[in-house]
Amino acid sequence: GAGVSQSPRYKVAKRGQDVALRCDPISGHVSLFWYQQALGQGPEFLTYFQNEAQLDKSGLPSDRFFAERPEGSVSTLKIQRTQQEDSAVYLCASSPWTGDWSQPQHFGDGTRLSIL
Amino acid sequence: SQQGEEDPQALSIQEGENATMNCSYKTSINNLQWYRQNSGRGLVHLILIRSNEREKHSGRLRVTLDTSKKSSSLLITASRAADTASYFCATVIQGAQKLVFGQGTRLTINP
Repeated sequence: GAGVSQSPRYKVAKRGQDVALRCDPISGHVSLFWYQQALGQGPEFLTYFQNEAQLDKSGLPSDRFFAERPEGSVSTLKIQRTQQEDSAVYLCASSPWTGDWSQPQHFGDGTRLSIL
Repeated sequence: SQQGEEDPQALSIQEGENATMNCSYKTSINNLQWYRQNSGRGLVHLILIRSNEREKHSGRLRVTLDTSKKSSSLLITASRAADTASYFCATVIQGAQKLVFGQGTRLTINP
């Protein structure tokens, strides 16, 4: 079956522009996560949705970052007034919800964002 | 900030040899997971070990967990060129609803 799909795969923007990154999770997966991965580092948690509810946004670096999942499926991560330090790979992951945190997460291939 | 530290940061071995990677973490966990990431791709789940387990096997993978030392190891036996990738440990911290990743080990298998 189809895995987690992210678009675009690459995004180049000028500093100060707004960007929107899309994630299509695996159909039926309740949980959806966004991570930021700097070059040579592990992913860092940004935010978590259970269906349409954003239950944890503690990892969002600033109020310029905003995520939504209005219908409980597709999610969009928006970054306003981009800065050079926003350059990274943004990964989306989804998993079924079983009431505990033992389910593996299924990752998309990410969006590589470069801010000039 | 990241919870885990992997050791070594990079490892290069010959095909057929075994590869061992270690992960240390700081706080009490519910479980620990290992993921693989090929260059330019997303992460792929390899294996999960719960906090009450000490060892787990899956194919050529063997994972151990020592909660008293807050450490885990991943052993890949009979390595293949296709095992070349970065490997990350990730913990689910008690009371937190998220995975916390280490910085990863870059494994290179030389043919």
